[in-house]
Formats: sequence, C-alpha cells, structure tokens
Amino acid sequence: EVVLTQSPGTLSLSPGERATLSCRASQSVNSNHLAWHQHKPGQAPRVLIYGTSSRATGVPDRFSGSGSGTDFTLTISRLEPEDSAVYYCQQDVNAPNTFGQGTKLEIK
Amino acid sequence: EVQLVESGGDLVQPGGSLRLSCGASGFRFSNYWIHWVRQAPGQGLVWVSHINGDGTRTSYADSVKGRFTISRDNAKNTLYLQMNSLRAEDTAVYYCLITNLGWGQGTRVTVSS
Repeated sequence: EVVLTQSPGTLSLSPGERATLSCRASQSVNSNHLAWHQHKPGQAPRVLIYGTSSRATGVPDRFSGSGSGTDFTLTISRLEPEDSAVYYCQQDVNAPNTFGQGTKLEIK
Repeated sequence: EVQLVESGGDLVQPGGSLRLSCGASGFRFSNYWIHWVRQAPGQGLVWVSHINGDGTRTSYADSVKGRFTISRDNAKNTLYLQMNSLRAEDTAVYYCLITNLGWGQGTRVTVSS
C-alpha cells in the first residue's frame, strides 16, 4: 500500500501569504495519478488538482501543483479567507488507492 | 455541468445491508473510473473502492473486502455500492468521486442498534 504523508498537519497563515503543502509517498507514484482535494466542514470535497499539476474546472490559478516520484506539493499563492479548509492528496494508480491524512489550513 | 448525486444512505442495524447509488450526468459516464470514498465522524477521507469504465476491474480497501461490492450500470449512468454485514465502524458519509471531474454531495450511513 502506498502511504501518503502530508505535512504540516496544521498551517496558520494570513490573507495574502503563500501556503506550501507537502505530500510524500512511501513509494513512487505516477504523476498522472496524484490529486489534491479541498474539504470544508459541512460541504462536499472539491477536486483542486489532478495529474499533479492540472487544475480542475473553475479552480483559481492561485492554486498550483508540482512534484514527481515521491514528493508532491500544493501551493496556494495570495491566500484568501475562503481558502480555510482541510487539504488532502490522493493517489489513484496503485491499489489500494490512498489519501493522505490531510493538512488543515487556517487563515488568521 | 458535471453532476454526481448519491442516495441510499440510512440508519441500519449491525449485520444489515444497504445499497448506495451514485447517479451521474453532464459527461460520458462510461469513460471514467469511479471511486467510493468515506469519511467517518471526525476523521479524514478514506478510499473504499473503485471500478473501471466498463465495470470489469474493481478494487477494495481491506476493511471492506468481502463485504462490499461495487458495480455500475453504464446504460443508467449509475454507480452502486452494495454493503453487507455492516459494522459500527462503517458509519460514515459516503461519496462518489471521479478524480478528474468532481465529487458527489455524499450520503450518510449510520450503523447502530
């Protein structure tokens, strides 16, 4: 099983700052199959990034993904208050598919 | 517009069964792998199962293997999850997900006597 470890567990930043979220895999993941999701309380999750760096429809260009092999990054530039959420990485190529444990992003 | 709509969640006793559905619209349903993902109260997202576009390939998390069955009807644009021998630890909101497209709104399953 591919274990995805996200860091940090919690991130507290101010509006306008830049957030860098990390996702490290226990073994190499095909970059076509690494995604990032945003989940706010009481709402359905939302796909942000798929294929490591492709933004889903309607996702602002403040959100960007990068990485390869075992190290992947979600970057949110110019944070806005509505970016407060839990962010999950996911790999969907190796069975069983897996999610990271999540990074909670708080906007001060 | 891409839409995924889950249904079928309910309160069920331990050992009982339930069938969840996920109706799809706005895209060519048969082209995509689809996942079931769940979130137990206060916990993170956990992958449950997936199925390929023509329904010939499936995979399951160890925690549900042998109890849950994923299937799809491409003529009806619908994904299913048959859940048998339900346990308290299966209590969660269940979502369908197409990684490149989006999530459903979820359906709640509660397993309790």
